[in-house]
Amino acid sequence: SYVLTQPPSVSVAPGQTARISCGQNGIGPRRVHWYQKKPGQAPVLVVYDDRDRPTGIPERFSGSNSANTATLTIGRVEAGDEADYFCQVWDSDSYHVVFGGGTKLTV
Amino acid sequence: EVQLVESGGGLVQPGGSLRLSCAASGFTFSDREMNWVRQAPGKGLEWVSYISSSGDTIYYADSVKGRFTISRDNAKNTLYLQIKSLRGEDSAVYYCTRDGTGDEFDYWGQGTLVTVS
Repeated sequence: SYVLTQPPSVSVAPGQTARISCGQNGIGPRRVHWYQKKPGQAPVLVVYDDRDRPTGIPERFSGSNSANTATLTIGRVEAGDEADYFCQVWDSDSYHVVFGGGTKLTV
Repeated sequence: EVQLVESGGGLVQPGGSLRLSCAASGFTFSDREMNWVRQAPGKGLEWVSYISSSGDTIYYADSVKGRFTISRDNAKNTLYLQIKSLRGEDSAVYYCTRDGTGDEFDYWGQGTLVTVS
């Protein structure tokens, strides 16, 4: 089965840049999406199709995707960015949606 | 404004059944693909099932195949998830999600809690 690997945790000081990786061999051709999940709230889409932002998501949130790793970058991190972040792809081989295990961002 | 409102969760004994519903508004429901995603306590997000806009195409996660049934009523703007033979590991918040322009989930409901005990 297709597995997306994320670091369990990332810690960053306010105002700095956080980078969260999502790894899988050959992820490059796939479209990767990212969600922010805070306790007690529904997940929110923050980046889709590797690097696009939905309306209302600050420009501080950006994404990239290379051969084996996709990355969510959060610039000028704020306390309100503290949350779990999940990457997601569609696996066309198995007709399954796949989520990464999630990364807890601590500010 | 797009809204997805889940209902039907609750406490159920192992082996029991429930039907979850998701009432959609603020968009043309019959045009959009939909999914169910769940999150068990302290765990990550887990995709459960997908249904095409017409209901003709359906996919399930391996962990629920044969026990869960996704369906939709486009006349009532409602998505359903019939869950049977419930196990402890099915305890989770179940979210209804809308597909965006591709295969991302652009809107999520607030979720409904299913507890199997």
